[in-house]
Amino acid sequence: AQSVTQPDIHITVSEGASLELRCNYSYGATPYLFWYVQSPGQGLQLLLKYFSGDTLVQGIKGFEAEFKRSQSSFNLRKPSVHWSDAAEYFCAVAPNAGKSTFGDGTTLTVKP
Amino acid sequence: SQTIHQWPATLVQPVGSPLSLECTVEGTSNPNLYWYRQAAGRGLQLLFYSVGIGQISSEVPQNLSASRPQDRQFILSSKKLLLSDSGFYLCAWSVTGGAKTQYFGPGTRLLVL
Repeated sequence: AQSVTQPDIHITVSEGASLELRCNYSYGATPYLFWYVQSPGQGLQLLLKYFSGDTLVQGIKGFEAEFKRSQSSFNLRKPSVHWSDAAEYFCAVAPNAGKSTFGDGTTLTVKP
Repeated sequence: SQTIHQWPATLVQPVGSPLSLECTVEGTSNPNLYWYRQAAGRGLQLLFYSVGIGQISSEVPQNLSASRPQDRQFILSSKKLLLSDSGFYLCAWSVTGGAKTQYFGPGTRLLVL
């Protein structure tokens, strides 16, 4: 069975600074990988996904993520964080045919 | 376009009372449907998964049950709520077959007192 680890429970960055959220997965083959964002009291919204092809994927709101097979990682990045990016971020992994497994999430706080 | 609805948005219930949360999807047919619970400060726990009408997979033993009486309707129920049932309940859908993006509803905040 697959698993996902988000090592950072909480990250604080200053507005305008760069951001990297870490995600490591465990799965025997190349999985499908997702990043979702959740604003307080709301559902999750897809930021981006990787199925195959180019290992650097672009998403909404200026986010990108890079799939590194050798490191079993799919880290989320943004070059300049905005106050509105404060939220909880979830990484998810899914096999070719099956249900997604979500990480425990990383809460992002943005300092003015 | 597809939309997913959940109601109620917020619910406060006494211990031992019944529960019924509803989720409906519009704009798609034969979706996979999911119920998740998110406890305070924790990640998502998959509770139930359905690939079709009347087909429910339970992921964890618990005080809750799920039903899918119609193709795009997914209901989460309990006969007697426990304090530990408090949390944020999310419904999601995906297209059938393979690993696909999940689309989430706005959630229901349940507080059991």
